[in-house]
Amino acid sequence: GAGVSQSPSNKVTEKGKDVELRCDPISGHTALYWYRQSLGQGLEFLIYFQGNSAPDKSGLPSDRFSAERTGGSVSTLTIQRTQQEDSAVYLCASSLPRGHEQFFGPGTRLTVL
Amino acid sequence: DAKTTQPNSMESNEEEPVHLPCNHSTISGTDYIHWYRQLPSQGPEYVIHGLTSNVNNRMASLAIAEDRKSSTLILHRATLRDAAVYYCIPSNTGNQFYFGTGTSLTVIP
Repeated sequence: GAGVSQSPSNKVTEKGKDVELRCDPISGHTALYWYRQSLGQGLEFLIYFQGNSAPDKSGLPSDRFSAERTGGSVSTLTIQRTQQEDSAVYLCASSLPRGHEQFFGPGTRLTVL
Repeated sequence: DAKTTQPNSMESNEEEPVHLPCNHSTISGTDYIHWYRQLPSQGPEYVIHGLTSNVNNRMASLAIAEDRKSSTLILHRATLRDAAVYYCIPSNTGNQFYFGTGTSLTVIP
């Protein structure tokens, strides 16, 4: 079956612009996670959605970052007024409710010039 | 959240067993121990998880200390494809996962 998909695969933007990154989770997975990974670093948790519950936003680094999940499926991560330090690979993962196995997408590589 | 300590890097010869250690002395009683790995230029993939008893699956074995303050991921016969960064993550489902920096495993042909 289809795995987690993310778009775009690559995004180059100028400092100060807004960007939207999209994640399509596996059908039936109610849990959705966003992470980012800077070059040579481990994964940094950003936000977690579980069904209709309020999302866990504790990992968002600043108020320039926000995420939505419409209809319990597709999620969009928005970064406003991008900065060079936002350059990273943004990874999305989904899992079954209270599942131990998170399935990761291929990521979006964001470059802020 | 439980803090973890893993070696930054390890090496193994191909077709030999590999034991990847992880210390998680502050683990809570309800946290499972998850292991994920990340191959070069790919997203992480699930390897195995356990709570108290040792676990085996097609990819690896997980040995959990009796006091649960440490665990060891065992790859029985390392292949070149096993070269990756391995992350040990104590957490409960429904909670965020902290991946840390993991152990970079190099497999020598």
